[in-house]
Formats: sequence, structure tokens, C-alpha cells
Amino acid sequence: AQSVTQLGSHVSVSEGALVLLRCNYSSSVPPYLFWYVQYPNQGLQLLLKYTSAATLVKGINGFEAEFKKSETSFHLTKPSAHMSDAAEYFCAVSHGDSGGSNYKLTFGKGTLLTVNP
Amino acid sequence: DAGVTQSPTHLIKTRGQQVTLRCSPKSGHDTVSWYQQALGQGPQFIFQYYEEEERQRGNFPDRFSGHQFPNYSSELNVNALLLGDSALYLCASSFQLDSAYNSPLHFGNGTRLTVT
Repeated sequence: AQSVTQLGSHVSVSEGALVLLRCNYSSSVPPYLFWYVQYPNQGLQLLLKYTSAATLVKGINGFEAEFKKSETSFHLTKPSAHMSDAAEYFCAVSHGDSGGSNYKLTFGKGTLLTVNP
Repeated sequence: DAGVTQSPTHLIKTRGQQVTLRCSPKSGHDTVSWYQQALGQGPQFIFQYYEEEERQRGNFPDRFSGHQFPNYSSELNVNALLLGDSALYLCASSFQLDSAYNSPLHFGNGTRLTVT
């Protein structure tokens, strides 16, 4: 079964500091991996996705993530945190037929990012 | 281009009651998935509808049922509500013939259900 584990339910950084949110996956097949962000009282917004095209994936709002097969990791980073980055971040892995859209996502428990002025 | 829309935004029900939540997918999408997000948790897959049929189902009891209409919109029904059903219910849409890469899930803002 495929699963993801997010290390750290809460991460606090200062504005301008590096953001590092950790995600490890478990999958018996090459995974599709995603990072989503959720702002208060809103749904999930896709930040970036990994589908084996490149190990370093760039997403929106200056975020990027690196797929490391040897470490089964897909950590999310941003060089300089902004106050507007404060939100909850979810790592997810897809199941199902990669050739079609009949897939479902398994999410981690999320990491709440706080940005201090 | 309208994204995924869900109604209502908030709902309060009493234990034992039944509830219906509604979702309209993003324009051009034909597949609707429902997720339950309990407080402090990640979303959990309930089921997926395509061509008006349930295609996949997560580990949820039969009290949870759904429907998809010819216009691709969908409903989630929950019978005999329990306190533990209190959660944010998220609808996500995608295009069936696209891969996960080309058609990542687009989520609505959810319906917050409170069961008292």
C-alpha cells in the first residue's frame, strides 16, 4: 500500500528564513507525488507535482521539491519565507492507473507552517 | 472559468439525521471525487464518480453514498449521522482521460459539517 509520512505537525520560521517541510513516501511502484497547500477555511491548492520527468520540481509561489528515491523523500522547500506562506501543507501520493485519471490520493496528516515577523 | 464549487459552505445537523452535500466540477472535468477531512487530519478518500457510476471507494461505511448527474455534478449523502462525521467534506474534479500528471485534482473550498 502507498502512504506518506509528514515529519513535524508544526513548523515555525521567521520571515525570510528557509522553509523545509518533510515528506517521506512508501510505494511499491514509482509514485506520483504532490504537495498541496490549504489556507484557512479554503480547499486544497496544488503547489507542485512529481511524475518522474525530473527529480527537482518547481512549483508556484517559489516552492520546490526534490524527489530522492534512495531516501524515499519528497521534501518541500522555499529559500525565503513570506508571511503569506502561513498555511497547512499536505504531501500526497497517488494510487490507481497512471495512464488515466481514475486515481485517488492518500494524504499525509499535514504540516502547519507559521511565519513569524 | 469557474473552479470547483460546493454547497452549502456550512451545515449543522443532529445525530441520526441525513445530509446531502453538492458539488459542481471545474469546467471541462468529468470525474468527481469526495474526501473527508477531520480536524487536524489530512483528507481521506471517500469515493469517485465517473459516467454516473461509483468507480472507486475508500474505507467508508455504506451510510456514505453518492450520485453523479449527466452534467457531471455530484452529491454526497450521509445517513444516520454520527458525531464522528463532523468534518470538512471536499470535492475534487479531474478529467478521466488525462493522467495524474496532466489532470491533477482541483479541489473546492469544502462543506463544513457539524454533527451535534
